Amino acid sequence: RKEVEQDPGPFNVPEGATVAFNCTYSNSASQSFFWYRQDCRKEPKLLMSVYSSGNEDGRFTAQLNRASQYISLLIRDSKLSDSATYLCVVRILTGGGNKLTFGTGTQLKVEL
Amino acid sequence: GAVVSQHPSWVICKSGTSVKIECRSLDFQATTMFWYRQFPKQSLMLMATSNEGSKATYEQGVEKDKFLINHASLTLSTLTVTSAHPEDSSFYICSARGGLAGDFYEQYFGPGTRLTVT
Repeated sequence: RKEVEQDPGPFNVPEGATVAFNCTYSNSASQSFFWYRQDCRKEPKLLMSVYSSGNEDGRFTAQLNRASQYISLLIRDSKLSDSATYLCVVRILTGGGNKLTFGTGTQLKVEL
Repeated sequence: GAVVSQHPSWVICKSGTSVKIECRSLDFQATTMFWYRQFPKQSLMLMATSNEGSKATYEQGVEKDKFLINHASLTLSTLTVTSAHPEDSSFYICSARGGLAGDFYEQYFGPGTRLTVT
């Protein structure tokens, strides 16, 4: 079983739509949670951290359920520029340090 | 945010040759650097973690003699793919972080290097 699982998509949605992505993680040593955005042939870029209380950044809302080991990202009023792959990422404690583990990503295509 | 550069951005080499990729933190001291590899439509897979002045820690299944990592300074780490083969063709991304091994500082990613081995 993968440590971080996501539906690969693609999700094709019209401009202005609301779309939600889900992610599950298996490692109980996961300490921090993030959503990254990756454009084609580019490096991943941090979109937002995810907190247990839920957090919002403009049109983006992230939720974390530690009991279910489940993370979500909601995008409202989708823009064409939101088209990208969204990576669910967890930070896991390791011996003497910590590391980021990435999901395979969910591809979003926003269309006119 | 902080800036991490990688060089080259893309490289094509012949099978059997070695390729060196540089990763630099431009405006902060990177005590820890990470090297990832990403195949098409797959996730980033951590290859190794290196702390400045120490030997790199490789993930399971990554050959340390094939992927040589040097982190000799707080701003530079290099990854050398030795005797490259077509199956090594991939997108290699470095990431840098300040602080100590157990700290939760943000990681900053380089723009990646696309390696094609013919």
